[in-house]
Amino acid sequence: KQEVTQIPAALSVPEGENLVLNCSFTDSAIYNLQWFRQDPGKGLTSLLLIQSSQREQTSGRLNASLDKSSGRSTLYIAASQPGDSATYLCAVRANAGNMLTFGGGTRLMVKP
Amino acid sequence: NAGVMQNPRHLVRRRGQEARLRCSPMKGHSHVYWYRQLPEEGLKFMVYLQKENIIDESGMPKERFSAEFPKEGPSILRIQQVVRGDSAAYFCASSPIGLAGVSVTDTQYFGPGTRLTVL
Repeated sequence: KQEVTQIPAALSVPEGENLVLNCSFTDSAIYNLQWFRQDPGKGLTSLLLIQSSQREQTSGRLNASLDKSSGRSTLYIAASQPGDSATYLCAVRANAGNMLTFGGGTRLMVKP
Repeated sequence: NAGVMQNPRHLVRRRGQEARLRCSPMKGHSHVYWYRQLPEEGLKFMVYLQKENIIDESGMPKERFSAEFPKEGPSILRIQQVVRGDSAAYFCASSPIGLAGVSVTDTQYFGPGTRLTVL
């Protein structure tokens, strides 16, 4: 059974800092991995999707890497801003199905 | 192109009542997924449906919960005889491609969720 873990559970940083969020998964037989952002009381916004054959994806100040063999992904946020404050969720999709397995999330607070 | 729509956004029920949550997928999407987010927990998969078919319901509680996605109209997640432990945010997602002919680039698009409170 796939399990996804995100560390840290919460993170508070001053504005402008570069930061790394971690995601690990137990079963390396994944189809893809996706990073989402969730604002309080809101739905999920997809940030980056990495296919199992890819090593990384970039979008603006965000960069996500994937090391399938070791079961890890990182989300790098450059030059953080208060508007980046949200919960970041990592989710993996298994080869055998369409459902996503989510981690518990990292609650990020960027202080002005 | 409107996104995934869910209604109601907030739903309050008393113990023992029924809750009906609706999800309209994005235009052109014929696959729907329901996830539940309990307070202070991550999202958990519940069920995956195509039009008129339940494909995977491995995450659905065995009793009181049911889901459908009729040929016409939205997908419905129905919870009978609600209990306090059902209080959660229920999210629906849709995608254009399912298991058969699956594409590695497809993604699930999430709705804003329905927040169910059971008194």
